[in-house]
Amino acid sequence: NAGVTQTPKFRVLKTGQSMTLLCAQDMNHEYMYWYRQDPGMGLRLIHYSVGEGTTAKGEVPDGYNVSRLKKQNFLLGLESAAPSQTSVYFCASIPRGNTEAFFGQGTRLTVV
Amino acid sequence: AQTVTQSQPEMSVQEAETVTLSCTYDTSESDYYLFWYKQPPSRQMILVIRQEAYKQQNATENRFSVNFQKAAKSFSLKISDSQLGDAAMYFCAYGDQLGTYKYIFGTGTRLKVLA
Repeated sequence: NAGVTQTPKFRVLKTGQSMTLLCAQDMNHEYMYWYRQDPGMGLRLIHYSVGEGTTAKGEVPDGYNVSRLKKQNFLLGLESAAPSQTSVYFCASIPRGNTEAFFGQGTRLTVV
Repeated sequence: AQTVTQSQPEMSVQEAETVTLSCTYDTSESDYYLFWYKQPPSRQMILVIRQEAYKQQNATENRFSVNFQKAAKSFSLKISDSQLGDAAMYFCAYGDQLGTYKYIFGTGTRLKVLA
């Protein structure tokens, strides 16, 4: 049982480049989330999804887009990376009827 | 909007001693969940303990217990018999019950355990 898997684990981008982070969960969870973690700021919600085909903005959505075409996958895209997007990104999922979030192992992204 | 405040950026405790990490939150909702997550150097987020707001009884998980004061909007974590493996960043989180189950995290407390 893999749980929540994030791909890639590390990435270095140049300013202006684009990339997609993949979050995959094999637990049939309904809800999925993307957070970013910055020193001294905890985890902040970027975007989330309450079901396949639905997405919504979180606290810090600017510069990011998401898609959830399949229930098990939640993609986070950066169209034009900026140094301010240097961060550790976490994906999480929650099953229907529960409240405990299951987290991926994180992706460390550096934009130079 | 809900907020979560952890006022202790860093705490230290001697091995085998007890330490309490503080967390306060603000919400206008009556139904919600509160969590403590542990993040060791591996970066993995590990659920330590969970508290339902409608339950008056404080949650306990082995050496970890909480002091939940709903009226004061306080949710502290007590770690008893501290072990070297408890050294980590600890995050307090608020989880809504409005159908989205979004979490609001505090800024974290780094716990050092001294041998």
